[in-house]
Amino acid sequence: NAGVTQTPKFQVLKTGQSMTLQCAQDMNHNSMYWYRQDPGMGLRLIYYSASEGTTDKGEVPNGYNVSRLNKREFSLRLESAAPSQTSVYFCASSPGTTSPGYTFGSGTRLTVV
Amino acid sequence: AQSVTQPDIHITVSEGASLELRCNYSYGATPYLFWYVQSPGQGLQLLLKYFSGDTLVQGIKGFEAEFKRSQSSFNLRKPSVHWSDAAEYFCAVGVGSNFNKFYFGSGTKLNVKP
Repeated sequence: NAGVTQTPKFQVLKTGQSMTLQCAQDMNHNSMYWYRQDPGMGLRLIYYSASEGTTDKGEVPNGYNVSRLNKREFSLRLESAAPSQTSVYFCASSPGTTSPGYTFGSGTRLTVV
Repeated sequence: AQSVTQPDIHITVSEGASLELRCNYSYGATPYLFWYVQSPGQGLQLLLKYFSGDTLVQGIKGFEAEFKRSQSSFNLRKPSVHWSDAAEYFCAVGVGSNFNKFYFGSGTKLNVKP
């Protein structure tokens, strides 16, 4: 039972570089989410996908793009990384209907220098 | 706008003592309510959740939480804390058409003294 798998676990980028964070779930969940976690600020929603083929902005979408590649996969792209995007990124998935509740991945620690 | 407040940033309790972590939310209707725990370097694990019905809900690891509509609160409790409970705890509310959009509190970091 893999649950939600995120890759990579760690990444260091230089300012202006781009990268894509990958997320895959094997629970047949409809909804998927990307959060960032910063000290003292809890988790803030970046983007979410309520179902395959749809994506919506969350609280802090600026500087990010997402792709819901299929039902299993939801990627987060930083086109031009900035130091303010240094954070821990979590992907989560949810059944999306009658039983809300997230399953989280183990996170990606991103440092932008 | 929806918000979740965890007023205690850090709490220290002695092993074996009781614990209560506070959570207040602001939302127009009764949302779905959750508590998650995060150990250092790990993802978040669901402790318990409240949708409706009995306002006292039981979760894993001996935790429970009580929903109080009049106070817009969902406080987490444990009668006797173990050293392994040291972690960060997050309260969350689920809102939206399917209650699938979550807002998290800023977290309470629990230290346990031997």
